[in-house]
Amino acid sequence: GAVVSQHPSWVICKSGTSVKIECRSLDFQATTMFWYRQFPKQSLMLMATSNEGSKATYEQGVEKDKFLINHASLTLSTLTVTSAHPEDSSFYICSARVGKRMAQYFGPGTRLLVL
Amino acid sequence: AQTVTQSQPEMSVQEAETVTLSCTYDTSESDYYLFWYKQPPSRQMILVIRQEAYKQQNATENRFSVNFQKAAKSFSLKISDSQLGDAAMYFCAYTGNQFYFGTGTSLTVIP
Repeated sequence: GAVVSQHPSWVICKSGTSVKIECRSLDFQATTMFWYRQFPKQSLMLMATSNEGSKATYEQGVEKDKFLINHASLTLSTLTVTSAHPEDSSFYICSARVGKRMAQYFGPGTRLLVL
Repeated sequence: AQTVTQSQPEMSVQEAETVTLSCTYDTSESDYYLFWYKQPPSRQMILVIRQEAYKQQNATENRFSVNFQKAAKSFSLKISDSQLGDAAMYFCAYTGNQFYFGTGTSLTVIP
């Protein structure tokens, strides 16, 4: 149980294009989903927290107009990187949890390369 | 503010031996959970073990166990009979009103 999928696993795009990443909780309903960015050999950096049907809460320094998050249902959240640039290249990970103080379950991550 | 500290950036252990990874945290909350996550080279984050702060008994999951010292705000992970597949980054995490990760410990298992 507690499986989270993430799609795509790999994406290469040209600078200036937009990329959408999907995160789904497959066998549970997630009250909250999280989006992280991870640089090599570093810890996870929280980008935003989203609750179903509500606007996402972004961490300081994260551009909300660049990283659009939609949490349309209890099992699906999407992250859209708009007008991607090479500095947006990174590993993006989503996670989901059932309730406050519960464990987060992570998707397998998406490697984004912007050329 | 809550913080999670992992003071060992790298650790190594001989196969079949035991290793302990350290984690300390700072909080003023009384209701919280603690976790250890494993991130192997595939980069998939895997929940290893969890501990509820209100429980005095240390959590155990097969070869993985914790030493939870609430007063000292310490939450170490012990891996017994280490296997090659245990090689990974290990992250300590805290959740109360917010969720915090430590900086991670890279574990190498020597055959």
